[in-house]
Amino acid sequence: EADIYQTPRYLVIGTGKKITLECSQTMGHDKMYWYQQDPGMELHLIHYSYGVNSTEKGDLSSESTVSRIRTEHFPLTLESARPSHTSQYLCASSDPSGQETQYFGPGTRLLVL
Amino acid sequence: DQQVKQNSPSLSVQEGRISILNCDYTNSMFDYFLWYKKYPAEGPTFLISISSIKDKNEDGRFTVFLNKSAKHLSLHIVPSQPGDSAVYFCAASYGGSNYKLTFGKGTLLTVNP
Repeated sequence: EADIYQTPRYLVIGTGKKITLECSQTMGHDKMYWYQQDPGMELHLIHYSYGVNSTEKGDLSSESTVSRIRTEHFPLTLESARPSHTSQYLCASSDPSGQETQYFGPGTRLLVL
Repeated sequence: DQQVKQNSPSLSVQEGRISILNCDYTNSMFDYFLWYKKYPAEGPTFLISISSIKDKNEDGRFTVFLNKSAKHLSLHIVPSQPGDSAVYFCAASYGGSNYKLTFGKGTLLTVNP
């Protein structure tokens, strides 16, 4: 199982601010993912990475951007936060063995006022 | 078009009884299925998975059944405990999509003491 860390756990911020949500994993997994989830809804993939310097957009369009400069680190950035960005953001990495089960971090709850 | 469907938004059972959570899928390419448990404001926790070459997988109190012809899977929890109260997400993937997960909307399970 992966050890995945996300900070902050909760963030309340005003409109127009730039924010970076941190995600780190200690298992050396190449594949990492960012999901967005609203209450009562499914998780939607917004970004993924298959390794260093590899990033792709997911199925749900997002104004956020990501970077992957180190294997263990996959931060997500919003240049100008808006109330519509209020959501829970979940980071995951996948075990490369077998069929690549994904393991999740604790998530960041973002509230944009 | 939702490819993974959990048609019951909620389920309530008595402690000690069996909980049965259901999931249907439409994409016949899916060959790997997972169940996650999620508490509010936390990340999903991986519970159990099943490959399409099997029809049953068991891990302690949790058993997943897969009916490929019906495109249906179910998670059985026996015996149910109050600590099992959470939202349960069904997810599916396949190798051709690089094992990216498609999630259902979840079922809220409440186990009453």
